[in-house]
Amino acid sequence: EPEVTQTPSHQVTQMGQEVILRCVPISNHLYFYWYRQILGQKVEFLVSFYNNEISEKSEIFDDQFSVERPDGSNFTLKIRSTKLEDSAMYFCASRNQGPSYEQYFGPGTRLTVT
Amino acid sequence: SQQGEEDPQALSIQEGENATMNCSYKTSINNLQWYRQNSGRGLVHLILIRSNEREKHSGRLRVTLDTSKKSSSLLITASRAADTASYFCATDGTAGTYKYIFGTGTRLKVLA
Repeated sequence: EPEVTQTPSHQVTQMGQEVILRCVPISNHLYFYWYRQILGQKVEFLVSFYNNEISEKSEIFDDQFSVERPDGSNFTLKIRSTKLEDSAMYFCASRNQGPSYEQYFGPGTRLTVT
Repeated sequence: SQQGEEDPQALSIQEGENATMNCSYKTSINNLQWYRQNSGRGLVHLILIRSNEREKHSGRLRVTLDTSKKSSSLLITASRAADTASYFCATDGTAGTYKYIFGTGTRLKVLA
């Protein structure tokens, strides 16, 4: 069964550093997403990406965040200058077009900002 | 705005008992998915139920959906200690980007 993959599984970085989280969505999917889960809290939507552009973003997704699909297979989330409060699990997801399709989630990247 | 809420927030039962968790949401949906998450780990997909379905089963899991009440329930029968985890529902919208809105989760503890 096809799956969404994410790398790395765990990233430790110092405050102020840039990080790039990588995802490989399922190959024929058209919608891509990033979600965040702070430890002990619920999963929160960050951004959706369709047709090579951001289709929706949440209030969390400020100017420090950006997404890119550089080569038709990878989907990346960049945080330009990390803060302590960016420490969280970041999930990538993808789905096909149409209302009846489900989202498939990757295993997550745990980001720890020190 | 769409919001998923589960109740109870925490549930503690004995092994062998049934566990029921509920989820409510606010706007029309296409799909509702239930996920399990062990502490600090990824999301494990359990069951997806579509808006035109009322009930689905998978092994010891039973999910119901009542779109008139905008609610769903997850029943785990004959629970095991390994079922100890947090359980979340997630709903999408009927238009736009199909982003998922997650509930706050139910923390289930099954005592051996």
